[in-house]
Amino acid sequence: EDQVTQSPEALRLQEGESSSLNCSYTVSGLRGLFWYRQDPGKGPEFLFTLYSAGEEKEKERLKATLTKKESFLHITAPKPEDSATYLCAVVDTGTASKLTFGTGTRLQVTL
Amino acid sequence: ETGVTQTPRHLVMGMTNKKSLKCEQHLGHNAMYWYKQSAKKPLELMFVYSLEERVENNSVPSRFSPECPNSSHLFLHLHTLQPEDSALYLCASSRGTGVHTDTQYFGPGTRLTVL
Repeated sequence: EDQVTQSPEALRLQEGESSSLNCSYTVSGLRGLFWYRQDPGKGPEFLFTLYSAGEEKEKERLKATLTKKESFLHITAPKPEDSATYLCAVVDTGTASKLTFGTGTRLQVTL
Repeated sequence: ETGVTQTPRHLVMGMTNKKSLKCEQHLGHNAMYWYKQSAKKPLELMFVYSLEERVENNSVPSRFSPECPNSSHLFLHLHTLQPEDSALYLCASSRGTGVHTDTQYFGPGTRLTVL
């Protein structure tokens, strides 16, 4: 069964304090790994898709990386507007390609 | 309107009521999804439609009944719900007909409370 584990569950950073969020996954074969951002009371907003180990993608202060077992979302010099829950999800080639989500990391960035 | 829209945004219903959630996508996509999001739990896939045909039904109770009249619209009909069905219901769409292989774009969700 596919599994996605995100850590930490919650993270509090000061503005400008860089850090990383982790997404560990277990699949029979990885078709794709997705990162989403979700603000309270809203639907998830797509950030990145990664397909193979070694791949990296960047958007503003966010950078996503992928290995064979985990993905990291690096946040450089975060701002209060980066506060949100960050969700990781995987699609497995071995099953019905079902999108499996983790429970997310709740990030709070303070002044 | 752009992207994926959902109505209503908030819904309170009794256990004997019948109500419907509506989703509309303005992206020209071919696949649509219903998800349930409960506190402290991962998003749970409920139903998948590709080109208006249901392709997945993940053991969802029959009190939830989906309908996809065309590739732009998706409904979730609700009847005799239980309090544990209270959650955020999210609709999503993706471009291709090979469901789950393309990026899914989500609507804002309907916050459902069952009394």
